[in-house]
Amino acid sequence: AQSVTQLDSQVPVFEEAPVELRCNYSSSVSVYLFWYVQYPNQGLQLLLKYLSGSTLVESINGFEAEFNKSQTSFHLRKPSVHISDTAEYFCALDSGGYQKVTFGTGTKLQVIP
Amino acid sequence: DTGVSQDPRHKITKRGQNVTFRCDPISEHNRLYWYRQTLGQGPEFLTYFQNEAQLEKSRLLSDRFSAERPKGSFSTLEIQRTEQGDSAMYLCASSLGGRTPYNEQFFGPGTRLTVL
Repeated sequence: AQSVTQLDSQVPVFEEAPVELRCNYSSSVSVYLFWYVQYPNQGLQLLLKYLSGSTLVESINGFEAEFNKSQTSFHLRKPSVHISDTAEYFCALDSGGYQKVTFGTGTKLQVIP
Repeated sequence: DTGVSQDPRHKITKRGQNVTFRCDPISEHNRLYWYRQTLGQGPEFLTYFQNEAQLEKSRLLSDRFSAERPKGSFSTLEIQRTEQGDSAMYLCASSLGGRTPYNEQFFGPGTRLTVL
């Protein structure tokens, strides 16, 4: 069975401060990992993905995540957050690439001016 | 707009009524997925289609739920005899399918169902 754990339900952070949203997963086979973002009253948008190759993946708006197989983690980081980053972030995984995606419970990032 | 669309965006109904939601995927995508998202939770997989064939159904999908994709394009999700526990956001996603290369899912805005 596959599972995703996001321990932090809410993360408040001041604008321009760094942030890390934690994600741990469990799977017995190879995984594809994702971070989705959900802005208020909008659908899920893919932020970044790890499929293979380099363990560090980046998004176009400054977020990055590192796949750590030994620690079964895929934490999301940004060195300096902006007000517009306020949203809910979901970590997700697909075990084996069969496109049956399991989501974590989400982390609400609140950027404080 | 070439993204995934869902209709309606909001639905309020009384317990015991039937409701139907529609999802229009990205046109060239052959896979279509339905998820349910309740408050404080991440999306949970309900079912998916490869073209018109429904290939997998979650245990979350009780007998009151039925999904169709008759021509391999749009899909409908019907809930019969709604219960208050059915109140949730129903999300649709689509993808090109296949494992190599991996094709991620694109999500629609969702239909928020409130059962009174």
